[in-house]
Amino acid sequence: QSVLTQPPSVSGAPGQRVTISCTGSSSNIGAGYDVHWYQQLPGTAPKLLIYGNSNRPSGVPDRFTGSKSGTSASLAITGLQAADEADYYCQSYDNSLRASVFGGGTQLTVL
Amino acid sequence: QLQLQESGPGLVKPSETLSLTCTVVGGSISSGSYSWGWIRQPPGKGLEWIGNIYYGSTYYNPSLKSRVTISVDTSKNQFSLKLSSVTAADTALYYCARQGGVGATAVEYWGQGTLVTVSS
Repeated sequence: QSVLTQPPSVSGAPGQRVTISCTGSSSNIGAGYDVHWYQQLPGTAPKLLIYGNSNRPSGVPDRFTGSKSGTSASLAITGLQAADEADYYCQSYDNSLRASVFGGGTQLTVL
Repeated sequence: QLQLQESGPGLVKPSETLSLTCTVVGGSISSGSYSWGWIRQPPGKGLEWIGNIYYGSTYYNPSLKSRVTISVDTSKNQFSLKLSSVTAADTALYYCARQGGVGATAVEYWGQGTLVTVSS
């Protein structure tokens, strides 16, 4: 059971928009800690996609957008492409565990 | 461009100690306000933060704290992971990583990962 809760899977057709939620609590996201998102393509290491809730590293397309509100965060992907098929993970910090924590991951399928 | 490279045995016997090393290439492990640590991923499962080291202070996942040691060797530009008393549940892909400090910081760089299997 992950501290941060993500839907196991989401799907969408090419060109559509999908969102992936990351729900935490008052000891992590709700405490004001930043949320980061990672994309893990099949057979590869995760890659930083969004940092500090809504910032994109250089090279990440603006089709990927992060947001945070209250005890939750979201990753939105617009203009879905086949290349976006991957697992997506959120990450934050939990002050009761005093540790970085990851969501359980969401598998994105492009129909 | 910074690169992280894991190395170590791919097979460890139950009850023994898992030892991995991460070599930092393209940058100094001593420069900048970064933490260096480990994240693992059991086959077909999600990511689990193991811990990191920041200016000599270590921070561990409480679920693993009693078995984990992370250390740095600045002379070799390496850091290492030791996980004692391993069981089959410790079988995973182990990634070394650089975070932008401690607390709620992002993992900016990842190694390619090394699979460690715990089996007799």
